[in-house]
Amino acid sequence: DAGVIQSPRHEVTEMGQEVTLRCKPISGHNSLFWYRQTMMRGLELLIYFNNNVPIDDSGMPEDRFSAKMPNASFSTLKIQPSEPRDSAVYFCASSFTGGAFGNTIYFGEGSWLTVV
Amino acid sequence: AQSVTQPDIHITVSEGASLELRCNYSYGATPYLFWYVQSPGQGLQLLLKYFSGDTLVQGIKGFEAEFKRSQSSFNLRKPSVHWSDAAEYFCAVGHRGTSFQKLVFGTGTRLLVSP
Repeated sequence: DAGVIQSPRHEVTEMGQEVTLRCKPISGHNSLFWYRQTMMRGLELLIYFNNNVPIDDSGMPEDRFSAKMPNASFSTLKIQPSEPRDSAVYFCASSFTGGAFGNTIYFGEGSWLTVV
Repeated sequence: AQSVTQPDIHITVSEGASLELRCNYSYGATPYLFWYVQSPGQGLQLLLKYFSGDTLVQGIKGFEAEFKRSQSSFNLRKPSVHWSDAAEYFCAVGHRGTSFQKLVFGTGTRLLVSP
């Protein structure tokens, strides 16, 4: 089965440019997460969608960051304008939320962003 | 709010030796607990999870973890480490409730395996 698919895997961009990261969750999953990983702050949850609706975006660092999930099989994380401090690995993850027990979150391989 | 502490930033273990990675959590009730592993340049892979029941949980790749409520711990163990186990290991806690999917991760422990 295909896992969570992210693109691009690597991106180098100049400060001020717009960056769009893409994610295709596992088919049948109804929850999607965007995480950011840096050396200084570790893994941070940026935003969480359930059934395509943003449930918790309290981790989004500032207005330069936005995320959308237009349908169950696609999500984007956009940074505009980008800054060097946005350099990080951005992970998309998905899970199926439901049932009496907890669910397992599956991670993509990450998008490695460098802003110069 | 829940939190996770992994007190060891780095651990070096000889190949074939046993391993224990420490994880302590802070949470007001019984949490969901997870261990993930991240190899260099890769995403996070779930090793094992605890939701309820038996406090000793078996995972993939020969790993196990034990939930100890009295110590608020969920330490990861492996009886004999292989060189391929060198990676970064993350403990995570999930909130029981409508937002239990919101995992909080520890800062990770990097495992180095010496020959």
